[in-house]
Amino acid sequence: DQQVKQNSPSLSVQEGRISILNCDYTNSMFDYFLWYKKYPAEGPTFLISISSIKDKNEDGRFTVFLNKSAKHLSLHIVPSQPGDSAVYFCVPAGGTSYGKLTFGQGTILTVHP
Amino acid sequence: EPEVTQTPSHQVTQMGQEVILRCVPISNHLYFYWYRQILGQKVEFLVSFYNNEISEKSEIFDDQFSVERPDGSNFTLKIRSTKLEDSAMYFCASSIRVANSPLHFGNGTRLTVT
Repeated sequence: DQQVKQNSPSLSVQEGRISILNCDYTNSMFDYFLWYKKYPAEGPTFLISISSIKDKNEDGRFTVFLNKSAKHLSLHIVPSQPGDSAVYFCVPAGGTSYGKLTFGQGTILTVHP
Repeated sequence: EPEVTQTPSHQVTQMGQEVILRCVPISNHLYFYWYRQILGQKVEFLVSFYNNEISEKSEIFDDQFSVERPDGSNFTLKIRSTKLEDSAMYFCASSIRVANSPLHFGNGTRLTVT
């Protein structure tokens, strides 16, 4: 039951450019969305979240956009830095459980110097 | 910035032995979680804990697993009789609220069962 899909398994971007990571979800009960980044053998690091009452949330270089009607989110990183290279997870929450997060396969972002 | 800390970073144990993985959640957080990631697989939910009770658990969290908050700062995961398939990274997480509040994860304990 894939309730969230990150269709790009990987993304390669030049340093200084914009990285755009996309995510689609199916369950309309989701009303809170989180983005995590993860390095191998480390825990997920929380980046930014958005509630379904908003369509945009910005924090420094990170901006998340939510299109509820399309059930689509995107994470923009501007400007991208080599240290941003990691696996990024779009993680929806809501419905009957907020703490039981479902991580997909993620998108591997590589930022080249 | 406050963080979730986990000890040990790596634990090696023999099959059938009991292990206890320890976590210190962020101090003002009220909700606690364990997740795990088997090598090459997704991060998966094990259990959530609030007010000294399990709130929710997954199918993985069978009778071999238990959680406890023995004092005001620690949160532990016990595996009573480890199996080879319990080898994984175990991540503790905490959040300040249950809804609309991000989970903050520790850096994990790598459990190796031989």
